[in-house]
Amino acid sequence: NSKVIQTPRYLVKGQGQKAKMRCIPEKGHPVVFWYQQNKNNEFKFLINFQNQEVLQQIDMTEKRFSAECPSNSPCSLEIQSSEAGDSALYLCASSPGQGNSGNTLYFGEGSRLIVV
Amino acid sequence: DAKTTQPDSMESTEGETVHLPCSHATISGNEYIYWYRQVPLQGPEYVTHGLQQNTTNSMAFLAIASDRKSSTLILTHVSLRDAAVYHCILRVSSSFSKLVFGQGTSLSVVP
Repeated sequence: NSKVIQTPRYLVKGQGQKAKMRCIPEKGHPVVFWYQQNKNNEFKFLINFQNQEVLQQIDMTEKRFSAECPSNSPCSLEIQSSEAGDSALYLCASSPGQGNSGNTLYFGEGSRLIVV
Repeated sequence: DAKTTQPDSMESTEGETVHLPCSHATISGNEYIYWYRQVPLQGPEYVTHGLQQNTTNSMAFLAIASDRKSSTLILTHVSLRDAAVYHCILRVSSSFSKLVFGQGTSLSVVP
């Protein structure tokens, strides 16, 4: 059972609407990743954080998404204006960031976005 | 990130041992080999990882070739619950580097 909690599991939005997803990383994990998985099961890295700081993000994320990982609150990923091509499974993953298991990512069950 | 190559699909029968191969001919010395599996509508589940030595845990045995250019995930006594897409991934040893997934091997298990 996943210890990374993602909500909601499903959301349906119209084109142009905002779509917000949340993620509670596993306790004690300072590193958080967001991935987008399309219907062909292809993964696209979106953004990652260490604590509250953005480490890396792709151009699409910087321009169209809003993401944050505030202290003592869930991380969030929000699409500012949904497009049909944004329909996908959005996966959040966390990592201890250190030690032998520090490189291991533990994934949540994902939030499936459908843009109609 | 270096590339991995896996067969698109494999089939096994319940109770058998299945060997899932992965080729990573251009692997770098600081890249770990990770295996994840994923069932429909769920996120990837960590299976195992290794650098040079073979590793084993409750889920699987990972055999790594001596030249590290290939590896094999071995599942013993497979059950229907082991049916999933198995991803072989390489990741540099930096704590913050992202995983790059391929399309993986779809393992089907028949009774």
